[in-house]
Amino acid sequence: GDSVTQMEGPVTLSEEAFLTINCTYTATGYPSLFWYVQYPGEGLQLLLKATKADDKGSNKGFEATYRKETTSFHLEKGSVQVSDSAVYFCALGGFGNEKLTFGTGTRLTIIP
Amino acid sequence: DGGITQSPKYLFRKEGQNVTLSCEQNLNHDAMYWYRQDPGQGLRLIYYSQIVNDFQKGDIAEGYSVSREKKESFPLTVTSAQKNPTAFYLCASRPSGGPTVAQYFGPGTRLTVL
Repeated sequence: GDSVTQMEGPVTLSEEAFLTINCTYTATGYPSLFWYVQYPGEGLQLLLKATKADDKGSNKGFEATYRKETTSFHLEKGSVQVSDSAVYFCALGGFGNEKLTFGTGTRLTIIP
Repeated sequence: DGGITQSPKYLFRKEGQNVTLSCEQNLNHDAMYWYRQDPGQGLRLIYYSQIVNDFQKGDIAEGYSVSREKKESFPLTVTSAQKNPTAFYLCASRPSGGPTVAQYFGPGTRLTVL
């Protein structure tokens, strides 16, 4: 079945550092890929998505590229801020499937 | 404002009692979902519904029940049969349109069973 593997956390970075959170997937067909962010005590917010190979999703300075050859969708940001501290979830929407498959989440803490 | 509301934000119940969590959306979305989140873990799907008066079990449906009598409402009942009900519960919805369409989440309800 479909699965998503995310980089183990927690991740701690200094402000203005470069961020990468790794995400790889296993799926049949051509899934869509999503990154969600969860701030403490809140629900998940859609951060970005990509629906086909080589698509790049971007939002709020975050980017992720759908790499079919490496089955990856790594999240990147060039210069993180304290306000980026949150838990980040990678998710997969399988072809012909109304459900999402989530990774376990990566907790990110940015220190000033 | 369009969105998904969950109430209450915090809920306390005694062991052995059933409890119903509310989820309402005014986005005119066809599909709705319930997830459970435990500390340090990802989301696990409890139930989902793609259309009124129809719903399917997710990965951890035992001890839970749902109804979908109206398009905008998808309440979740946590029954006394659920062994470890203390968790953060998230409701989500999405419009129809296949796997390219994202799910949108409510703010969640934190249930504590004493």
